[in-house]
Amino acid sequence: DTGVSQDPRHKITKRGQNVTFRCDPISEHNRLYWYRQTLGQGPEFLTYFQNEAQLEKSRLLSDRFSAERPKGSFSTLEIQRTEQGDSAMYLCASSLAQGGTEAFFGQGTRLTVV
Amino acid sequence: AQRVTQPEKLLSVFKGAPVELKCNYSYSGSPELFWYVQYSRQRLQLLLRHISRESIKGFTADLNKGETSFHLKKPFAQEEDSAMYYCALIRRGAQKLVFGQGTRLTINP
Repeated sequence: DTGVSQDPRHKITKRGQNVTFRCDPISEHNRLYWYRQTLGQGPEFLTYFQNEAQLEKSRLLSDRFSAERPKGSFSTLEIQRTEQGDSAMYLCASSLAQGGTEAFFGQGTRLTVV
Repeated sequence: AQRVTQPEKLLSVFKGAPVELKCNYSYSGSPELFWYVQYSRQRLQLLLRHISRESIKGFTADLNKGETSFHLKKPFAQEEDSAMYYCALIRRGAQKLVFGQGTRLTINP
């Protein structure tokens, strides 16, 4: 599968623990996005990168959340001191900066905080 | 702020019947509108976008700026159309997609 890949697919963690998710975008895509989706809702934007630069962050991204894309390829999303409200599907997407704005999504990481 | 509203969480129609999934948006400028689809156990994928004005899998959507709507239509539903459908917009000059809550479409045989 040469699409966007996310790891792990599922994560169960205890409240207060830190978790880190990884996203590998489509190789030639220079834009990478993180979204969060809770049950019964559409995806909500968290942040996006163009190459290694983080260009926009949502107010949803509290200071417990940090995202990086150190070499402009894969990205990580870390949640510190997880809370039950962090339970959600975390989606990664990638796109080209040129040629339109179609975003290709990964299959997501489902986080459950117990 | 931009907002996308999909008034129907669930929609069920019979195979061969016409389908219309409603989408309304609030944005004062000229957005770019999309429909994304998620089939069972698959990833979210783009179905169509208003600027391409094309029909994909028999679906079409017309942007009505006066009514701020972007309804998705198909004249004859097929069982394989059963999926979750999300309407989304990007405002001019921005990069993030703003999604509606989604409509689960079920096509009954």
